Amino acid sequence: DAKTTQPNSMESNEEEPVHLPCNHSTISGTDYIHWYRQLPSQGPEYVIHGLTSNVNNRMASLAIAEDRKSSTLILHRATLRDAAVYYCILRDRGTYKYIFGTGTRLKVLA
Amino acid sequence: NAGVTQTPKFQVLKTGQSMTLQCAQDMNHEYMSWYRQDPGMGLRLIHYSVGAGITDQGEVPNGYNVSRSTTEDFPLRLLSAAPSQTSVYFCASTTLAGSANEQFFGPGTRLTVL
Repeated sequence: DAKTTQPNSMESNEEEPVHLPCNHSTISGTDYIHWYRQLPSQGPEYVIHGLTSNVNNRMASLAIAEDRKSSTLILHRATLRDAAVYYCILRDRGTYKYIFGTGTRLKVLA
Repeated sequence: NAGVTQTPKFQVLKTGQSMTLQCAQDMNHEYMSWYRQDPGMGLRLIHYSVGAGITDQGEVPNGYNVSRSTTEDFPLRLLSAAPSQTSVYFCASTTLAGSANEQFFGPGTRLTVL
């Protein structure tokens, strides 16, 4: 199973953009890149996903490197409610397995 | 829609006891899965299913059994609980149609094994 590598923690000031990196150098051509976040004492929630092209939705943007070996989740204006653990996951389209890594704990400073 | 529901919310077991964690979804999702999350750690996949009658192992399947007799339900059985199984257990579901495959997670079951 392809693995992802993320920094353990990051900090951001409120209302500033946040770029959360993820390395996935062993990604296969059929793997989708998914991002989830987990607020304290809750189950994970979906943020965004992509395959090859950059993606935008109401929560965030996903920038995928041309060689697909890395990606970046972009929160355009961090709020205190965005403080969470963010997980970058490769979904195996063949088996549908989702393998979570250890994630990045984002701290947002007021 | 209730989404993904899990029961119980909390459970304390003694070593060697057995129990079943319940998971149900009302979204007609084909894919269901179980994860465990140890304190300060990420989620690890235990078992998953792509449809009724079909299950497969994840990263950490030992000590757990699953079955999928209906689309809606995906129970997780601990045959002989051990302290190493103390964790928070999350159930999730998603459709296999399309490419989004957003997983919906339940609220979790916090299990302590003494």
